[in-house]
Amino acid sequence: GNSVTQMEGPVTLSEEAFLTINCTYTATGYPSLFWYVQYPGEGLQLLLKATKADDKGSNKGFEATYRKETTSFHLEKGSVQVSDSAVYFCALNQAGGGNKLTFGTGTQLKVEL
Amino acid sequence: DAGVTQSPTHLIKTRGQQVTLRCSPKSGHDTVSWYQQALGQGPQFIFQYYEEEERQRGNFPDRFSGHQFPNYSSELNVNALLLGDSALYLCASSLVQGSGANVLTFGAGSRLTVL
Repeated sequence: GNSVTQMEGPVTLSEEAFLTINCTYTATGYPSLFWYVQYPGEGLQLLLKATKADDKGSNKGFEATYRKETTSFHLEKGSVQVSDSAVYFCALNQAGGGNKLTFGTGTQLKVEL
Repeated sequence: DAGVTQSPTHLIKTRGQQVTLRCSPKSGHDTVSWYQQALGQGPQFIFQYYEEEERQRGNFPDRFSGHQFPNYSSELNVNALLLGDSALYLCASSLVQGSGANVLTFGAGSRLTVL
């Protein structure tokens, strides 16, 4: 079956540091890949997505590249802010899979001044 | 433009009871999915409704059931509650069933505590 593996948190960084959150997946075919963010007390918000190999999704300074050869979709940001503190979820959706997303366990990011 | 709204936001039940959670999708969306998010875990897919029918189901027992109404709103029902049903229940909506690349809009969730 499909699965998503994320690096464990919490990840604690100083403001303006570089961020990488690793995500690898197992799926048949060519799934679509997503990063969602969850702020305290809120639902999930789509951060970025990529639908085919070598696509780069980007939003709000975050980016991730769909790497078919390494089955990875690592999230990066060049300079984090305190407001980026949240839980980040990597997810996949099988082609033709409707709205059945498979999520990783989430990685908590804490950014300190 | 209102997003996905869920009610109630918090509720407490005891083992063996039944619960109904409600969801109104984002305006213009016709598909509703439900997810269970246990503490410290990623959301797990429960089921998806489109055109008032259950179209997909995750690995959840029959105690979990749902309904979609003609106005696209949806309910999640859980019978014979167990302690392990304590979780945040998330509703997500989208337009059409999708090819897998559809963007889901999530509500803030209903937090269920079973005592």
